[in-house]
Amino acid sequence: EAGVAQSPRYKIIEKRQSVAFWCNPISGHATLYWYQQILGQGPKLLIQFQNNGVVDDSQLPKDRFSAERLKGVDSTLKIQPAKLEDSAVYLCASSLGLRDSPLHFGNGTRLTVT
Amino acid sequence: GENVEQHPSTLSVQEGDSAVIKCTYSDSASNYFPWYKQELGKGPQLIIDIRSNVGEKKDQRIAVTLNKTAKHFSLHITETQPEDSAVYFCAAFTSGTYKYIFGTGTRLKVLA
Repeated sequence: EAGVAQSPRYKIIEKRQSVAFWCNPISGHATLYWYQQILGQGPKLLIQFQNNGVVDDSQLPKDRFSAERLKGVDSTLKIQPAKLEDSAVYLCASSLGLRDSPLHFGNGTRLTVT
Repeated sequence: GENVEQHPSTLSVQEGDSAVIKCTYSDSASNYFPWYKQELGKGPQLIIDIRSNVGEKKDQRIAVTLNKTAKHFSLHITETQPEDSAVYFCAAFTSGTYKYIFGTGTRLKVLA
């Protein structure tokens, strides 16, 4: 099966600019996650979708981050305006459902904010 | 809040030796425990998992053990090879909250 697709792989922007990341999950996976991974740390959940509804966005900095999954398939994560501390790898993952089904990760987008 | 502690943060072993990574979780309702391997420039890849109704699971050179009473689970890699070098993450999932909590990672280096 095709894996989780993410683009772009790398992005360099200046602070206060905006950026968007795209994710296409594994076909048939209802649950989609966006994680932020700062260098040397484990993934930290930003937002979780079940189909096109939000399950958990408690850790999403909503003043600057937004995400959508309009048709319950692919998803976009946006940052506007970016801060230096947003430099990280943004990982998208998907799973079959909300039960204890394994996460499948994409290779991430490495964001550098200068 | 809920958390998962992972030790050690770095581990160096000689090729052919065994490696053990340990995690402790705080949420007693956690019921699923996957382990992920992350190579440079890639996303984490699932290598083995265990559910709360099982005490041990093996897959070739990799095994995971779970002690629900102590809220500990461990990854064991035997006969390590250079290609095992990577960062390993443990995670705990709780069905009631649908949340995965990740450990902070262990950088494993297998020396040839």
